[in-house]
Amino acid sequence: KAGVTQTPRYLIKTRGQQVTLSCSPISGHRSVSWYQQTPGQGLQFLFEYFSETQRNKGNFPGRFSGRQFSNSRSEMNVSTLELGDSALYLCASSLQGLAGGGSYNEQFFGPGTRLTVL
Amino acid sequence: DQQVKQNSPSLSVQEGRISILNCDYTNSMFDYFLWYKKYPAEGPTFLISISSIKDKNEDGRFTVFLNKSAKHLSLHIVPSQPGDSAVYFCAARVTGANNLFFGTGTRLTVIP
Repeated sequence: KAGVTQTPRYLIKTRGQQVTLSCSPISGHRSVSWYQQTPGQGLQFLFEYFSETQRNKGNFPGRFSGRQFSNSRSEMNVSTLELGDSALYLCASSLQGLAGGGSYNEQFFGPGTRLTVL
Repeated sequence: DQQVKQNSPSLSVQEGRISILNCDYTNSMFDYFLWYKKYPAEGPTFLISISSIKDKNEDGRFTVFLNKSAKHLSLHIVPSQPGDSAVYFCAARVTGANNLFFGTGTRLTVIP
C-alpha cells in the first residue's frame, strides 16, 4: 500500500509570492491534516480536511488556506509569502472521522515539502 | 503557547542502556498521548500511544508512562540500539478532535 505522498519535495520562493503544496493520502483515507514544522516551534497544526470540508483549523493567519478534492487529495496554499514561512510542511492522513475517547485514528505522515522563502 | 513541552533538545545514551525521553503538557483536556519518531528527510512515524485512562503502555522495547497528576509522560527505550537514533516527538490530542499538539522534539543519539 502506497504511503502519503507530497509534492514537490523542495521549493524555493521569494517574499510576496504564493505557493501551492499537494498531498495525496493513503488510499481509502478520508482525513488529511497539514502541519508546519520549524526548528523552534516543532510541529504546529494548520488545518484538517475530511470529505472535502475543513473540519478543524489551527492558529495561523488567513494567508494559509487549503482544500480537499473528492478523491481526498489535498492542497495547501500560502499567499504573500514571508521569510518566516520557511519550514517543512507535513501532511498526514488518517482513515476516518473523529475517534472517541480511548481510541485514536492513527495519522500517517508524508515526507514533507521543504519550503524556503528568500 | 506551547501546550506540549519537551525540555531536553538532545539526549545521548550508550547502546544497551535505557533511554528516557520526557514530555510535559498543560492542557487537561488531552485524552490521548503519542510518541512519534522522525528520521531526516522522512515524515514522523508513529511509535507508541497511551490513553489518559491508563498509566502505562508497553510495546516491545518501548514503554510509555503517564502521570496525569503531574501532567507528565515519558518514553523508555530498553535496551537502546543505534537504529533508535532519531528525533522523538511527544504529541497529544484533545477529546473529539483529530489534530495533534506536538512538542519541539528530542534528538536521541545512541552511541555504539
